[in-house]
Amino acid sequence: DIQMTQSPSTLSASVGDRVTITCRVSQSISVWLAWYQQKPGKAPKLLIYKASSLGSGVPSRFSGSGSGTEFTLTISSLQPDDFATYYCQQYDIYSTFGQGTKVEIK
Amino acid sequence: EVQLLESGGGLVQPGGSLRLSCAASEFTFSSYGMSWVRQAPGKGLEWVSATTSSDNSKYYADFVEGRFTISRDNSKNTLYLQMNSLRAEDTAIYYCAKDLYGGSAGPLDMWGQGTVVIVSP
Repeated sequence: DIQMTQSPSTLSASVGDRVTITCRVSQSISVWLAWYQQKPGKAPKLLIYKASSLGSGVPSRFSGSGSGTEFTLTISSLQPDDFATYYCQQYDIYSTFGQGTKVEIK
Repeated sequence: EVQLLESGGGLVQPGGSLRLSCAASEFTFSSYGMSWVRQAPGKGLEWVSATTSSDNSKYYADFVEGRFTISRDNSKNTLYLQMNSLRAEDTAIYYCAKDLYGGSAGPLDMWGQGTVVIVSP
């Protein structure tokens, strides 16, 4: 099974901060990784796919990078609407989600 | 408006069965892979199962252990998840989600609102 490890589990940040979340994968998945944002009581929203491709309608302050076993999601300037939980997902072999990173207000 | 609408959740006893449905509208359902993803109370997302656009390939998470069956009826624009031998740990919100492509468990670009399954005596 492919294991996903996100870090940190919780991140405290302020509006305007640059935020980076890391996702490490137990084996190489090339670029077959997506990132999602989820707010309480809502379904997840696709932000990034194929490691660095921006989802439809997603603001350009979100970006993704990486390949193989290490990936990052970056929010260039955190906005009030961005406080949420973020998940990575590999879809190279079946699918697996990371455990999530909660971005909270500092 | 493009949407997915799940139904069929509810309260069931351990060992029981449920059939979830997901009705799709305003997109060419038969062109896309579909997945089920669940979220236990206060926990993270967990992929459950996926099927390709033509339903000729199906994939399951290890924890399913032969208990769940995914299927779809492209003539009815509907995705299903038959769940048997349910356990307390299957308690979760179950989301259906559309694949960005026609494949399997790829990036999921549209999600339903979820249906709640509670497994309890």
